[in-house]
Amino acid sequence: AQTVTQSQPEMSVQEAETVTLSCTYDTSESDYYLFWYKQPPSRQMILVIRQEAYKQQNATENRFSVNFQKAAKSFSLKISDSQLGDAAMYFCAYNMNRDDKIIFGKGTRLHILP
Amino acid sequence: GAVVSQHPSRVICKSGTSVKIECRSLDFQATTMFWYRQFPKQSLMLMATSNEGSKATYEQGVEKDKFLINHASLTLSTLTVTSAHPEDSSFYICSATEYSNQPQHFGDGTRLSIL
Repeated sequence: AQTVTQSQPEMSVQEAETVTLSCTYDTSESDYYLFWYKQPPSRQMILVIRQEAYKQQNATENRFSVNFQKAAKSFSLKISDSQLGDAAMYFCAYNMNRDDKIIFGKGTRLHILP
Repeated sequence: GAVVSQHPSRVICKSGTSVKIECRSLDFQATTMFWYRQFPKQSLMLMATSNEGSKATYEQGVEKDKFLINHASLTLSTLTVTSAHPEDSSFYICSATEYSNQPQHFGDGTRLSIL
């Protein structure tokens, strides 16, 4: 069965600094998608970034980038120039290519220190 | 961008009441919709997957008779919590996807409180 593990329940970073959130997953599939979702206090789920497993190039969205290590089954999120609005719960998620179901990790709560 | 509207955003009702939550895709046709439950400070737990015109597929441990899901059109899915009890109090979120392997678009969630 596929699993997603986020080993950091909480993290803090100084405003304007860089922070990396860790995620590992387990699957026997070769074709899948990985995501990072942000859930602010409003509890809305916001897609931050999406990575297709067959693409070697790491996905990037402005200040957000990932380090995708397929062999190691690792998918970390780097947030550069952290802003107060980045404070939220971040969920790493996995989706098999032939199945639309998403499996979420337990989340990492990110605090931004002014 | 794709918008999913979920209504109501907040429900407070007495034990024994049935509560219906609607999930609508506003600017796209959703072939598949998903219903999640989220307990405080926990992750999203998939409850069921619904495809338009067919019966929902429930995850293991989710009571079908308790959580009735209807996906009558390509833009609307409903979740009815039947005879709700305090233990059903939770945050319920829906999501929708237009095509297979496309990102899911989430509603804003419904906070359900059963007194």
